[in-house]
Amino acid sequence: DSGVTQTPKHLITATGQRVTLRCSPRSGDLSVYWYQQSLDQGLQFLIHYYNGEERAKGNILERFSAQQFPDLHSELNLSSLELGDSALYFCASSTGGAGGGTQYFGPGTRLTVL
Amino acid sequence: QQQVKQSPQSLIVQKGGISIINCAYENTAFDYFPWYQQFPGKGPALLIAIRPDVSEKKEGRFTISFNKSAKQFSLHIMDSQPGDSATYFCAATPEGTGGSYIPTFGRGTSLIVHP
Repeated sequence: DSGVTQTPKHLITATGQRVTLRCSPRSGDLSVYWYQQSLDQGLQFLIHYYNGEERAKGNILERFSAQQFPDLHSELNLSSLELGDSALYFCASSTGGAGGGTQYFGPGTRLTVL
Repeated sequence: QQQVKQSPQSLIVQKGGISIINCAYENTAFDYFPWYQQFPGKGPALLIAIRPDVSEKKEGRFTISFNKSAKQFSLHIMDSQPGDSATYFCAATPEGTGGSYIPTFGRGTSLIVHP
């Protein structure tokens, strides 16, 4: 158990809908990273938050957004869903700062868009 | 474009054998190289990691070999066991600004260890 929690574990929805994925980092970790994992694209970095502030963006679509709250949990919002958004979504946390580099992944949310 | 090339895509070994997975990178700014192990339905879990100031790091049956001049690193699993059957990802992380360490992942290697 990495100490990172993600909910829900599975999510099935229809095209055009909006969903919210939730992540709680390990106790004491200030950084939250979001990743998308699909068979054809591998593990792709989406976005990084550090202590409530956005620090880096990767291959994140404009239909996707995220935020990190004062209690450090993070939410990834996916809107106008398309079939191609079906994937595993992971969050990872780390201490950030000088101790960065080691990321601890949550169990993931499997999103299925029908 | 930052890339990490991982090979092979899949690997089948017999119990007790040595599993070797290779990765190559291009960006010399990478300075942290972790390997992750992922079981089906689970998130990737850090297995072992190395920094470029050492050429080898060993933890139990798992060893990372690092060749800075060739920009290559590899994972060796000695005495491979059926329980090692999983997908392995290499990654390379640059020193970021503002505490942002964004790894670039290899595409993964599916390892199957036959009993």
